[in-house]
Amino acid sequence: DAGVTQSPTHLIKTRGQQVTLRCSPKSGHDTVSWYQQALGQGPQFIFQYYEEEERQRGNFPDRFSGHQFPNYSSELNVNALLLGDSALYLCASSPDRGHLATNEKLFFGSGTQLSVL
Amino acid sequence: AQSVTQLDSQVPVFEEAPVELRCNYSSSVSVYLFWYVQYPNQGLQLLLKYLSGSTLVESINGFEAEFNKSQTSFHLRKPSVHISDTAEYFCAVSEWGRDDKIIFGKGTRLHILP
Repeated sequence: DAGVTQSPTHLIKTRGQQVTLRCSPKSGHDTVSWYQQALGQGPQFIFQYYEEEERQRGNFPDRFSGHQFPNYSSELNVNALLLGDSALYLCASSPDRGHLATNEKLFFGSGTQLSVL
Repeated sequence: AQSVTQLDSQVPVFEEAPVELRCNYSSSVSVYLFWYVQYPNQGLQLLLKYLSGSTLVESINGFEAEFNKSQTSFHLRKPSVHISDTAEYFCAVSEWGRDDKIIFGKGTRLHILP
């Protein structure tokens, strides 16, 4: 079982560009959440996708958008990149929403390190 | 809304010495509490969690944490650390019954000194 896989592992962009990050959830998982982890900070919740729809969203601007495909994989898109968007972007998957704590089935990928110059 | 405060950004400790990583939370509703560990160049892994019941929870690798409702704390402890415990540790909280959105603290980097 490959677990949660994210691509690419590293990415360098310039201000104003757009970026797409990809996540394949763990086998059997249908819910994907995205987190942003800035240097020296804890992960911050961006949004969650379930059944190809955004179900919850954190305090992030509309420049951050996402998509979930029928095979449960997901993309995170960031438009008009700012220097402050430089961070490690983590994807987490789970088998169903609302039961993470009791099921202990939230798995994180190793992340995509985005650098905006 | 919930929030988590980890008072120490870095904690140096000698190998085989005890360690405590502090965590305080704020919430107007009942919560679940978690400790996650992030080893270098790896994703987050759940270390232990408190849902309900016994206030002392343990992990398989010797860590334990105690939920203290009156002090709104969930400190992580280990009686004897090893070099392999070098990592960043994140305390996290989620609203009881609404655990699909987890709020993390800023993390504490544990340095094990030889």
